[in-house]
Amino acid sequence: DTGVSQNPRHKITKRGQNVTFRCDPISEHNRLYWYRQTLGQGPEFLTYFQNEAQLEKSRLLSDRFSAERPKGSFSTLEIQRTEQGDSAMYLCASSLLLTGSGNTIYFGEGSWLTVV
Amino acid sequence: DAKTTQPTSMDCAEGRAANLPCNHSTISGNEYVYWYRQIHSQGPQYIIHGLKNNETNEMASLIITEDRKSSTLILPHATLRDTAVYYCIVNFGNEKLTFGTGTRLTIIP
Repeated sequence: DTGVSQNPRHKITKRGQNVTFRCDPISEHNRLYWYRQTLGQGPEFLTYFQNEAQLEKSRLLSDRFSAERPKGSFSTLEIQRTEQGDSAMYLCASSLLLTGSGNTIYFGEGSWLTVV
Repeated sequence: DAKTTQPTSMDCAEGRAANLPCNHSTISGNEYVYWYRQIHSQGPQYIIHGLKNNETNEMASLIITEDRKSSTLILPHATLRDTAVYYCIVNFGNEKLTFGTGTRLTIIP
């Protein structure tokens, strides 16, 4: 078990460019989550998938953001036309949904985005 | 999700037990109590969770009061590496996690 893997770990981009982050969840985990965290704040939920279905999206996920999990395994989070306010750490997490025992969600180390 | 209340910050001497309180007075009968921590610039790390009974693992112990309105996370022998922000979250166990501001725990040498 290698844990949740995120790439790239750091990205510096110019305002207006598109960026894409990739997340590889723990093997066989059927749920995958994306969060965003800015300095001094707790992680904020963006969206989650169960297998390939995107079940919930936060209002924080503007039209410039899109997430996919095409085969129910890895996921990508794309930000189009980046703005300075998008600078944050983007966290991916995964879990294996089980009934009756509480769903333990495991996080990756995050991908830092700096928009200049 | 039920709301939680945690102290903003706490200090603990190295080698002593760190006891982190959490109030969740509106918790419902089938909501779990989860604890995560986040060391600077890293992703949140799962620590422990419980429903009604006290729980213990290699990292910590979770003590939940009988009325389930509060809980305490215990780190039995705190080390400098335990310095982190600790989040207490209540959740039905099949949902996304909603993070508050947590408790900033500083371990003092």
